[in-house]
Amino acid sequence: RKEVEQDPGPFNVPEGATVAFNCTYSNSASQSFFWYRQDCRKEPKLLMSVYSSGNEDGRFTAQLNRASQYISLLIRDSKLSDSATYLCVVWGSGNTGKLIFGQGTTLQVKP
Amino acid sequence: DTGVSQDPRHKITKRGQNVTFRCDPISEHNRLYWYRQTLGQGPEFLTYFQNEAQLEKSRLLSDRFSAERPKGSFSTLEIQRTEQGDSAMYLCASSFSGTGFGEKLFFGSGTQLSVL
Repeated sequence: RKEVEQDPGPFNVPEGATVAFNCTYSNSASQSFFWYRQDCRKEPKLLMSVYSSGNEDGRFTAQLNRASQYISLLIRDSKLSDSATYLCVVWGSGNTGKLIFGQGTTLQVKP
Repeated sequence: DTGVSQDPRHKITKRGQNVTFRCDPISEHNRLYWYRQTLGQGPEFLTYFQNEAQLEKSRLLSDRFSAERPKGSFSTLEIQRTEQGDSAMYLCASSFSGTGFGEKLFFGSGTQLSVL
């Protein structure tokens, strides 16, 4: 089983739609969680951190469910510019500095 | 430009040759990471440094791979006797960490390696 699993998609949605991505992680001791965005042929960039209480940044909402080891990202009112791959990222536990990336979920927003 | 820079951007080599990549992190960052990414996959952890110390290395990394960060600033990643399976994008990232992990990583644009 992969340490971080995502549905690779692609998700094809019209502009203005609401779309949700899910991610599961295997290490119950994981402590930090993030969503990164990667545009085609570009490097990943941090989109937002994910906090236990859930957090929102404009049209983006991230939620964490530790009991189910599940992270989600909700994008409301999708824009064409949201088209990208969204990477779920988990920091493990203990002394490791390793951040583990999921496979990524590809979103294509169409006019 | 004060971001993470990687050199070269592209490298084409023949199987069996050695290659070396360089990464210059953001100057005040004490942590430096190497990741590898293939098409359709997320970045895969290779190794990371805190200052000049290499603190963790992936079990997936064969003995053909070696990384250094001699003065705690720039880093090099060398692949010896390259194989076609080494073809990938090699990403470097840096961060500043105070007391914890999971801090924001800043990635370079990567080095695309093609092994013929």
